[in-house]
Amino acid sequence: ETGVTQTPRHLVMGMTNKKSLKCEQHLGHNAMYWYKQSAKKPLELMFVYSLEERVENNSVPSRFSPECPNSSHLFLHLHTLQPEDSALYLCASSQDNSHLTDTQYFGPGTRLTVL
Amino acid sequence: AQSVSQHNHHVILSEAASLELGCNYSYGGTVNLFWYVQYPGQHLQLLLKYFSGDPLVKGIKGFEAEFIKSKFSFNLRKPSVQWSDTAEYFCAVNAGNNRKLIWGLGTSLAVNP
Repeated sequence: ETGVTQTPRHLVMGMTNKKSLKCEQHLGHNAMYWYKQSAKKPLELMFVYSLEERVENNSVPSRFSPECPNSSHLFLHLHTLQPEDSALYLCASSQDNSHLTDTQYFGPGTRLTVL
Repeated sequence: AQSVSQHNHHVILSEAASLELGCNYSYGGTVNLFWYVQYPGQHLQLLLKYFSGDPLVKGIKGFEAEFIKSKFSFNLRKPSVQWSDTAEYFCAVNAGNNRKLIWGLGTSLAVNP
């Protein structure tokens, strides 16, 4: 049973749509992450939030817009996406982003298809 | 640039066979090393990690990994696999003061009963 939940689990959207992915962690962690998992590519870190402050933006296009209203919730707002953005989007949390040995706890992911 | 290489992309074994999955990284300084596993339909979860001390690390479900600094390697092993070990295995490294985890491509393991 994971302490990190993600909704929706599946999402199909057109290139002109606007949608949001939601992540919630119930572990009392201070850091949250968005990753993109595509076939035949390593897991790509997109954004990192520590205590609700963005500490990493890994050269992600502006059509992806993260939001972290509190340390338990993380959103990824999507608009004007491209078909190559189709992937599994994973949310993770860890106790503290500054502790290099911290384990990251992952959610089940949102499978996104852009038509 | 820092990178992580997992040499075996697909591995098929019979139950009770021994397993060794390779992981090599490119960084000469201090590293923290992780193996994560993703069972079918489940979330990514930690199998084991190394950051200091004994280079032979024991993880969950009978897995272990050995950090060999001279070879820049952190291979995952299990002496006798079970059908339930069928999963995707990912090696990840953070190096120096870089808080970002660098991930390998993953190895898909299928264990035949």
